[in-house]
Amino acid sequence: KQEVTQIPAALSVPEGENLVLNCSFTDSAIYNLQWFRQDPGKGLTSLLLIQSSQREQTSGRLNASLDKSSGRSTLYIAASQPGDSATYLCAVVGDKIIFGKGTRLHILP
Amino acid sequence: DAGITQSPRYKITETGRQVTLMCHQTWSHSYMFWYRQDLGHGLRLIYYSAAADITDKGEVPDGYVVSRSKTENFPLTLESATRSQTSVYFCASSEPGLLYNEQFFGPGTRLTVL
Repeated sequence: KQEVTQIPAALSVPEGENLVLNCSFTDSAIYNLQWFRQDPGKGLTSLLLIQSSQREQTSGRLNASLDKSSGRSTLYIAASQPGDSATYLCAVVGDKIIFGKGTRLHILP
Repeated sequence: DAGITQSPRYKITETGRQVTLMCHQTWSHSYMFWYRQDLGHGLRLIYYSAAADITDKGEVPDGYVVSRSKTENFPLTLESATRSQTSVYFCASSEPGLLYNEQFFGPGTRLTVL
């Protein structure tokens, strides 16, 4: 059974810092991995989707990597801004879609 | 406006009542999904649909019914609501191709069952 873990559950960093969010999974037989952002009281917004054959994807200040063999993905946020404060969730797609519980990120002005 | 909408946004009901949550998308996406989000469990898939009149169970389907007579609508019905169904419900859609392509989420419906 696929298990998806995101550590830490919460993170506070000063504005301007680069940061890395982690997502680990137990079964490497996946089709893709997706990163989402969720603002309080809102739905999820898709950030990046990495196909199983890819190693990374980039969008603006965001870069997501995927290492299937080690069961890990990271979301790198460059030059963090207060507007980046949100909960970040990863979802692993195999025969099912399994979400992690998220990392709540707070960027300190 | 284009996008995916859910109604109502908030709903309070009593145990045993039937409740229907509505989801409407304007993109003509083939796939539509219903999730619930609970503290401690994260998001879990309830049901999904690959096209009109085609639906399938997700991880937690018990107590829920779905239908999809039109591509743009995907209502979720709780036939006899229970307190354990208190949750935030999200509808999502994605383009055809791989089942879990990039998904677009609605704003959610917060349901409280008393």
